[in-house]
Amino acid sequence: AQKITQTQPGMFVQEKEAVTLDCTYDTSDPSYGLFWYKQPSSGEMIFLIYQGSYDQQNATEGRYSLNFQKARKSANLVISASQLGDSAMYFCAMREAQTGANNLFFGTGTRLTVIP
Amino acid sequence: GAVVSQHPSRVICKSGTSVKIECRSLDFQATTMFWYRQFPKKSLMLMATSNEGSKATYEQGVEKDKFLINHASLTLSTLTVTSAHPEDSSFYICSATPGGGILRETQYFGPGTRLLVL
Repeated sequence: AQKITQTQPGMFVQEKEAVTLDCTYDTSDPSYGLFWYKQPSSGEMIFLIYQGSYDQQNATEGRYSLNFQKARKSANLVISASQLGDSAMYFCAMREAQTGANNLFFGTGTRLTVIP
Repeated sequence: GAVVSQHPSRVICKSGTSVKIECRSLDFQATTMFWYRQFPKKSLMLMATSNEGSKATYEQGVEKDKFLINHASLTLSTLTVTSAHPEDSSFYICSATPGGGILRETQYFGPGTRLLVL
């Protein structure tokens, strides 16, 4: 079974609007971490935000926030006030404590296009 | 944030030759480094995990004799694609982590290397 599922291959958003990128995950490990990365056309992977399975509050980093719904096993990324520079691929990833704290499992990604 | 460099950023080689890609952590000691492969419009596929001073751990389906990994120091890991073929053409990305097993510790990614085998 896929550990990370991103069901949106592509998304469009108007500049200055908010957009939600979906991510669901599958794990039996009670201790895990969820990450979102941005990959612009240059190829580099840029870390955006982290959510731990035991964190009580949803993570926020500037215009990025994570809508963490533990019971539903979802960790959607919300980008507020979209900018043209937000156009990129976005990957959700998970790390499980029991498989070794260093391994990351990636989803298939969502390509976000911000429309002027 | 932490910086990881990769060299070269692009390489074109002839079929049958070997190509070495370097991954360096510039401002921290990387206990563990990872090598990923990414096909166009696809996700990252973990190829192997390397720990300084020990043999790399390869993922299922990745030929260790084809993709040689050497983690010679706490700041340098190299991936050598031996006897490259056109199907090895891909985007190779390394990442590094200080280690320590901290769950929230992100992997710091290099900028990637685009390999084209003719």
